[in-house]
Amino acid sequence: AQKVTQAQTEISVVEKEDVTLDCVYETRDTTYYLFWYKQPPSGELVFLIRRNSFDEQNEISGRYSWNFQKSTSSFNFTITASQVVDSAVYFCALRTTGANSKLTFGKGITLSVRP
Amino acid sequence: EPEVTQTPSHQVTQMGQEVILRCVPISNHLYFYWYRQILGQKVEFLVSFYNNEISEKSEIFDDQFSVERPDGSNFTLKIRSTKLEDSAMYFCASKEPGELFFGEGSRLTVL
Repeated sequence: AQKVTQAQTEISVVEKEDVTLDCVYETRDTTYYLFWYKQPPSGELVFLIRRNSFDEQNEISGRYSWNFQKSTSSFNFTITASQVVDSAVYFCALRTTGANSKLTFGKGITLSVRP
Repeated sequence: EPEVTQTPSHQVTQMGQEVILRCVPISNHLYFYWYRQILGQKVEFLVSFYNNEISEKSEIFDDQFSVERPDGSNFTLKIRSTKLEDSAMYFCASKEPGELFFGEGSRLTVL
């Protein structure tokens, strides 16, 4: 069985601060995928990143960066120089590699960025 | 860019009524899913569908729920007799296999 833990529930920062959202996962599978999704107030799920378990390279995309540490089963997400538009709920998710495998989501972290 | 579309975007219904939520997956996708998100909570898996049958379902997906692909393009979720606790956002998703694409969700409010 898979499990995703997002221990932080709510984070509030002031614009331009950096913020890191934590994600810890559990799985018995050796091959899996990790994801981050953003859910803005409008409610849709916006895909941010997918990382497979064989690729531990950190990734940077603009102000977003991800730190995958297989040794600690963590896949943390950092937003640099946060902006008000970053305010949303952020979900970490895990999927195994079967063709029909489902996503298991964490409980989400509500990020509020104040001007 | 191809996308998963869901209708209605918001439906309000009375307890005990039947509701059908509709999804049009991306056209060459083979695997279809419904997920649910109760307000303020995490996104939960309901059911997956492949080759015209359910391949996996969660404990949430009880006898009140059903899915079908009536015409080869739509993928529907039916709730037979809605309860207050069915109020949630329902997300449809599809994949080829490969990446999972989500629709924008259908918000169901049961009064």
